Amino acid sequence: EVQLVESGGGLVKPGGSLRLSCAASGFTFNKGWMSWVRQAPGKGLEWVGRIKSKTDGETTDYAAPAKGRFMISRDDSKNTLYLQLNSLRTEDTAVYYCTLDGIWQLERLSSYYYYHGMDVWGQGTTVTVSS
Amino acid sequence: DIQMTQSPSSLSASVGDRVTITCRTSQSINTYLNWYQQKPGKAPRLLIYAASSLQSGVPSRFSGSGSGTDFTLTISSLQPEDFATYYCQQSYSTPPEYTFGQGTKLEIK
Repeated sequence: EVQLVESGGGLVKPGGSLRLSCAASGFTFNKGWMSWVRQAPGKGLEWVGRIKSKTDGETTDYAAPAKGRFMISRDDSKNTLYLQLNSLRTEDTAVYYCTLDGIWQLERLSSYYYYHGMDVWGQGTTVTVSS
Repeated sequence: DIQMTQSPSSLSASVGDRVTITCRTSQSINTYLNWYQQKPGKAPRLLIYAASSLQSGVPSRFSGSGSGTDFTLTISSLQPEDFATYYCQQSYSTPPEYTFGQGTKLEIK
């Protein structure tokens, strides 16, 4: 069974830092593209960023609010994904989910295209930024 | 940035009803559109990817359609377990900025 388990959330003061972890099992982690998605209390979902597999360059992409403050990394030897949160603001208060991205190749109009989606989700870890 | 607008924001319906939720994007995204279901206190679940492909394990009463800027999620006959919040998400942007719609809360009438 594919499983993602986040940890590391907690209460932190504005300007502080936190590192979230996501332990993966049940699939070949080093081949997976992984994302972080967050959800502020009572609000909708917000994509935070993504890291590709090492084979695909281990490159990272971030949403605008995360650029320059957050960093996604992975340790394939430990089957673990990380999200380093720096310079935290009260508006970063949220449940943070890690996800395994699904990648599907589909035929459309005689050509093949790759589609991405958040296929498997962890249960989330809560980050509260408050003084 | 691609803006996502879902309608309605909330919806009341009864078991057995046919329900349609709409997602509109600010620019064409071909069929790079996903739908998720989220129940209170739970993580979201992928229902539909590539606008119309049903994710494995998702009941066939769920279906998706659309391309370009207008998309729909249809539940053909509502079941009690379908009352939840539904989100659309685009995966078109390069570099990726996978924005979500604001959500549609489906409640029991």
